[in-house]
Amino acid sequence: DAEITQSPRHKITETGRQVTLACHQTWNHNNMFWYRQDLGHGLRLIHYSYGVQDTNKGEVSDGYSVSRSNTEDLPLTLESAASSQTSVYFCASSESGETEAFFGQGTRLTVV
Amino acid sequence: QKEVEQNSGPLSVPEGAIASLNCTYSDRGSQSFFWYRQYSGKSPELIMSIYSNGDKEDGRFTAQLNKASQYVSLLIRDSQPSDSATYLCAVILDNYGQNFVFGPGTRLSVLP
Repeated sequence: DAEITQSPRHKITETGRQVTLACHQTWNHNNMFWYRQDLGHGLRLIHYSYGVQDTNKGEVSDGYSVSRSNTEDLPLTLESAASSQTSVYFCASSESGETEAFFGQGTRLTVV
Repeated sequence: QKEVEQNSGPLSVPEGAIASLNCTYSDRGSQSFFWYRQYSGKSPELIMSIYSNGDKEDGRFTAQLNKASQYVSLLIRDSQPSDSATYLCAVILDNYGQNFVFGPGTRLSVLP
C-alpha cells in the first residue's frame, strides 16, 4: 500500500545544531507539505512543494528550509535549531489539484 | 478574521447522540473542504472530503456544505466513545493555491 513515512519519530537536539527531518511518500503525489503543530496554534504551514525542484515558503518558514530533488522526498532542515522550534512536525502529500492530503506519523522534536 | 474558524470545544455528547461540528471559512471562492480526525498523539486522518453544496454521507458521518454561507459541518450519528478526538476542518482557500488551511480543531468527548 502507498504510504507517507517520517523519520525520526522523536528527536532531541541542542540549540544551534542543524537538524534534518525526513519525509518519504510512495503515493507519487506532486504536492508535499510540512506543518508544525503547537498547542494553541493548530497546524501551521512551514514549506510546501508542488513538484520536483519547486519549493515555497509557508506562514512560519523562518529558520527552516526544504529541497525537492525527486517526487518521493521532501526533507525539512532546521538551519540552527532554536527552543522555539520545539514542536510536533507533520509531513503531508496530495495529488495535484484540490484533492485530500494524507499525513505522515509525525516527528516530535525537542530543542534543549 | 482567521481564514478557517471552528469552536474549540470541548464538545461533550452522550454515547449514541448526534455530534455536530461546525466550521466557517473566509474565502467565498473556495471549492474544496475536508474533515480530519486527530487522536491525541497521533497524526490527522481524513474522514471526508466535500466539494459541492449539500450533504455527503459516509457511514455514521455526514458532511454538509453551504458555500453561500461559507459554512461546512460534520455530523456524527450514534456517537461512540471511540469518536472522542479533535476534529480538524481544512479548506483549500481560493487564494492559497493548492494549500490546505486548517482550523484550530474542535475537541469532541463522547461520554459512555
